[in-house]
Amino acid sequence: GNSVTQMEGPVTLSEEAFLTINCTYTATGYPSLFWYVQYPGEGLQLLLKATKADDKGSNKGFEATYRKETTSFHLEKGSVQVSDSAVYFCALSLYNFNKFYFGSGTKLNVKP
Amino acid sequence: DADVTQTPRNRITKTGKRIMLECSQTKGHDRMYWYRQDPGLGLRLIYYSFDVKDINKGEISDGYSVSRQAQAKFSLSLESAIPNQTALYFCATSDTGVDNEQFFGPGTRLTVL
Repeated sequence: GNSVTQMEGPVTLSEEAFLTINCTYTATGYPSLFWYVQYPGEGLQLLLKATKADDKGSNKGFEATYRKETTSFHLEKGSVQVSDSAVYFCALSLYNFNKFYFGSGTKLNVKP
Repeated sequence: DADVTQTPRNRITKTGKRIMLECSQTKGHDRMYWYRQDPGLGLRLIYYSFDVKDINKGEISDGYSVSRQAQAKFSLSLESAIPNQTALYFCATSDTGVDNEQFFGPGTRLTVL
C-alpha cells in the first residue's frame, strides 16, 4: 500500500539550530513528494515539493531531497527561527490516483 | 479573498444532530476533498470528488455523506453526529496537473457533545 511515516514530535529547538524532520514513504507507483506546514489556527500550506527521484525542493530556507533508494524525503533547515514553529506534514501523491497520503505530522517548537 | 473557504469555522453541537459543513473555492479546480485531522493521526481522507458527477469514498467515510452542488461547492454532512466525530475538518482542492498540489481551506473545528 501507500503510506508516509514521520518522526514523532514535538521537536524543540533553540533559535538558529539545525533542523531535520525525517520522512519515509511506501508507494506502489512513482510518487510526488510534498512537505506542508500548518501554523497555529490555520490550514495547511505547501512548503515544498519534489516530483521525481533526486529532485530537491526548497523554499524559505527549507530543503528536502527525493531519495528513491532510501524512500525518504527528510526536511532540513540550517537555522530555524521562532516563526518556524508549526506542525509539518510529509505527504505523497500518485499521479494516476491523485490522492494524497499524509504523515501524522511533526510539531516543531523553536525557543528564542 | 481566500481561494478556499469553509463555513462555519467553529461549531458545537449535540449527539444525534445533523450537521453540514460547507466548502467553496474560487480556484476553478475540478477536484475537491474532505479530510479530518485528529491529534497524532495526521489528516485522513473522508470523501473526494474529481468532478461534479464523481464522488468517491475515502478511508473513513462511515458516518459521513457529501454533496457536490457545483464545481465550486462541496459539502460534508454528518447525518447523526457522535462525540468521536469531534475533530478539525479541512476541505482541499487540486487541479488535474501532474504535480497535483492540494490547496487547503482554513478548517472547521467541530465539537460533538
